[in-house]
Amino acid sequence: DGGITQSPKYLFRKEGQNVTLSCEQNLNHDAMYWYRQDPGQGLRLIYYSQIVNDFQKGDIAEGYSVSREKKESFPLTVTSAQKNPTAFYLCASRYRTGTGNTEAFFGQGTRLTVV
Amino acid sequence: QQQVKQSPQSLIVQKGGISIINCAYENTAFDYFPWYQQFPGKGPALLIAIRPDVSEKKEGRFTISFNKSAKQFSLHIMDSQPGDSATYFCAASIRETSGSRLTFGEGTQLTVNP
Repeated sequence: DGGITQSPKYLFRKEGQNVTLSCEQNLNHDAMYWYRQDPGQGLRLIYYSQIVNDFQKGDIAEGYSVSREKKESFPLTVTSAQKNPTAFYLCASRYRTGTGNTEAFFGQGTRLTVV
Repeated sequence: QQQVKQSPQSLIVQKGGISIINCAYENTAFDYFPWYQQFPGKGPALLIAIRPDVSEKKEGRFTISFNKSAKQFSLHIMDSQPGDSATYFCAASIRETSGSRLTFGEGTQLTVNP
């Protein structure tokens, strides 16, 4: 089955620790995205990547880092510099056409809790 | 410039009624406007989408109305059902030199009472 897999579903982190959230897609999509979801604030863009070895900061990139070494994978690291990391994190992918946009496919999310 | 404003924040409708959710945007460079449906603990899924050269798009019980001059668009759910209870997000897409990005509204939590 084609899709986007995020792991783990639940993650607990102690303050001061870095943690990496996994996102893998087998849809052969070029673009991948990371969003953060907080109650009442919608989805806010953290980072996005159009091609391998290239990525761009979104609206709330501070305290986060990403890599895009393979087309299928776009892991997100939440660093200790992120002051309020407890949130629901969503990964998405889209494919780029020459005529227009297409829908974004989302993973099932990772709920990160700082303890 | 990148914001999309969505209202209401929450909505309660009786079964069989019409649910209406509104969104407004500022940046005229947005060129694609999707709506997403999200159930608790799940990722959002595309519901319906429209381009700015079309004023209305209908898919089953779901209709997008688009007003380009007012920079507003809305989602209408006809004959609302309890299974429609979910959070709905409008979004707008823009192409930049660095790639294409989606900006989301704040979300509307819809409850359809039986």
